[in-house]
Amino acid sequence: EAGVTQFPSHSVIEKGQTVTLRCDPISGHDNLYWYRRVMGKEIKFLLHFVKESKQDESGMPNNRFLAERTGGTYSTLKVQPAELEDSGVYFCASSQVGTQGTQYFGPGTRLLVL
Amino acid sequence: SQQGEEDPQALSIQEGENATMNCSYKTSINNLQWYRQNSGRGLVHLILIRSNEREKHSGRLRVTLDTSKKSSSLLITASRAADTASYFCASFSGGYNKLIFGAGTRLAVHP
Repeated sequence: EAGVTQFPSHSVIEKGQTVTLRCDPISGHDNLYWYRRVMGKEIKFLLHFVKESKQDESGMPNNRFLAERTGGTYSTLKVQPAELEDSGVYFCASSQVGTQGTQYFGPGTRLLVL
Repeated sequence: SQQGEEDPQALSIQEGENATMNCSYKTSINNLQWYRQNSGRGLVHLILIRSNEREKHSGRLRVTLDTSKKSSSLLITASRAADTASYFCASFSGGYNKLIFGAGTRLAVHP
């Protein structure tokens, strides 16, 4: 069974540019999550989808971040315009239907904003 | 408030030694999970311990949970160089699905 995949693995962009990150969850997992780790700090929750619906987006830092999950399969996270403080590792995770189960994480996308 | 604060922040040991990492949390939990992140790789789920469990084993890993002290420990026995990674404990925030992570413990195992 394929795990959670993320694309790209790395991205280097300039301040003000736009970047779109993609996450493909494990097949059949209704729950999809985005987290990020900034500058070696703790990993922080961004948002949670159940199928195509946003269940919890309390961790989204501001309106420069837009997450979508059209069709309830893969998800994208767009940062527009990117700022220096957005640099970090963005993780995606998925879990089966239900609550508080094991979340399986992808390898992350390393974003560097110059 | 932040949950899942690990202690120590960094740990350096020799191969074959045991490594113990501690984690404290602040709110009530249903379960607590430990994850590992190798350099350049994603988070790998290691073990989940439920709030009604006190100890759990998985291979060379041993996790304990003390809900009265709101703390957990991860013990890696007979460490290997391949165990070099950052280790995080995480718990769910209230009744929601978002995991709350601590800053992690960086473990270095020297050959």
